[in-house]
Amino acid sequence: QVQLQESGPGLVKPSQTLSLTCSVSGGSISSGRYYWSWVRQTAGKGLEWIGRIYPSGDTSYNPSLKSRATISGDTSKNQFSLKLSSATVADTAVYYCAREGGIAVGYKYFDHWGRGTLVTVSS
Amino acid sequence: DTQMTQSPSSLSASVGDGVTITCQASQDISKYLNWYQQKPGKAPKLVIYDASHLETGVPSRFSGSGSGTDFTFTISDLQPEDIATYYCQQYDNFPPTFGGGTKVEIK
Repeated sequence: QVQLQESGPGLVKPSQTLSLTCSVSGGSISSGRYYWSWVRQTAGKGLEWIGRIYPSGDTSYNPSLKSRATISGDTSKNQFSLKLSSATVADTAVYYCAREGGIAVGYKYFDHWGRGTLVTVSS
Repeated sequence: DTQMTQSPSSLSASVGDGVTITCQASQDISKYLNWYQQKPGKAPKLVIYDASHLETGVPSRFSGSGSGTDFTFTISDLQPEDIATYYCQQYDNFPPTFGGGTKVEIK
C-alpha cells in the first residue's frame, strides 16, 4: 500500500522560501503509471492544486502561483519536493502531497494523499 | 480556470436519509469529475472518479452521475460515519480545480 508523508518547517517568514518534502513508500515516483502532486488547503480558498511532477521529471504548475513554485524529484530517495518562493501570509495553508492515479486508462484522480502539514507564514 | 460550484454548502439529514449534492462546472468537462470525502483533520479521500465510478473499497451507498457541466453525488442511507465535507474536482481542463465543498451533518 503506497504511503506519502510530508515534512518541512511549520513556520516560514514572509518573503522567504517555503520548502516541503514528500517521502513515498510502497511505490516508486518513477513509475510511469502515476503523477505526483502538491495540493494545499486554506480556509479562504479551499483546495488548490499547486503542481505535479511526471515520471520523466517534467513538471507543470498552477498559473495562479505566478512561477513561484518549483517541484523536483529525487528518485534515489523516492521523494519529491516543493519550493514556494517569496512566501506571503496568503500561503499559510495545510499542504498535502498526493498521487495521481488512473493515468494509464485515461483518468486522473488523487487516489493517495499524505496526512498534510500546516505551514504558517508569519514574522 | 474552470470554476466548480457546489451546492448546498452544508446540509443536515437524519441517519438513513438520502442526500444529494450538486456540482456545476463553468464549462463543459465531459465526465472528468471526481468526488472526495474529507473528515476533520484528515486528508481528502477519493470516493468517486470519472463522474460515476466507485473507488475500490467505498460502500455502494455512494454514487455519482452527470456529464458536461452538471453533476450529482448521492449518499443513500446516510450513516454516522459519512459525516464529512465532500468536494468535487474536475480534471478536464488545466489546472485541475476543486469545488468549495459541502459539509454533511447528522440532524
